[in-house]
Amino acid sequence: IAGITQAPTSQILAAGRRMTLRCTQDMRHNAMYWYRQDLGLGLRLIHYSNTAGTTGKGEVPDGYSVSRANTDDFPLTLASAVPSQTSVYFCASSKQGAGADTQYFGPGTRLTVL
Amino acid sequence: GQNIDQPTEMTATEGAIVQINCTYQTSGFNGLFWYQQHAGEAPTFLSYNVLDGLEEKGRFSSFLSRSKGYSYLLLKELQMKDSASYLCAPMDSNYQLIWGAGTKLIIKP
Repeated sequence: IAGITQAPTSQILAAGRRMTLRCTQDMRHNAMYWYRQDLGLGLRLIHYSNTAGTTGKGEVPDGYSVSRANTDDFPLTLASAVPSQTSVYFCASSKQGAGADTQYFGPGTRLTVL
Repeated sequence: GQNIDQPTEMTATEGAIVQINCTYQTSGFNGLFWYQQHAGEAPTFLSYNVLDGLEEKGRFSSFLSRSKGYSYLLLKELQMKDSASYLCAPMDSNYQLIWGAGTKLIIKP
């Protein structure tokens, strides 16, 4: 693989269920990000990680958690999904977090919470 | 606060030129990115400006005026495949991208 992959491509989930969205990159980028994109709104940052072992909160972190055990993987977990978390989720990566580096995006996960 | 303003939708004709404007207010500034996003797909990088002036890259050019908090993306010789949303994203003092809602560009034959 080359770039960023995300899984699943799409998912329908019952409210209250736990869900983990997976993200893997093979570019050896230090920084990774999770965004959500909703109609009529810009991309909103949920959580980020500037390097393996560290994470930070973005603009809309409530209801989501992340971990960064290694360079390649950055899973996003919804502990107890709610309908307002219905969205398209994009994972992205960049060479460095604390720098003006280009972010490269995965194909996205379309999540529907009923 | 931080704010991005760009038109919601624009229409242009194949072969023509279109300019998509973006005004922004951010806490600090570390350059401005433009991304293209086709419907149902991920955003892809188009350009980055950190100094005032025009950056040209093939049919696409991007302009920045830091003092005015203003940027534009210029697309020349429009093709049908240019129908997409164009996202303006300045980078703030914490190196976080602040995303506009995007401009949906419709190209008509």
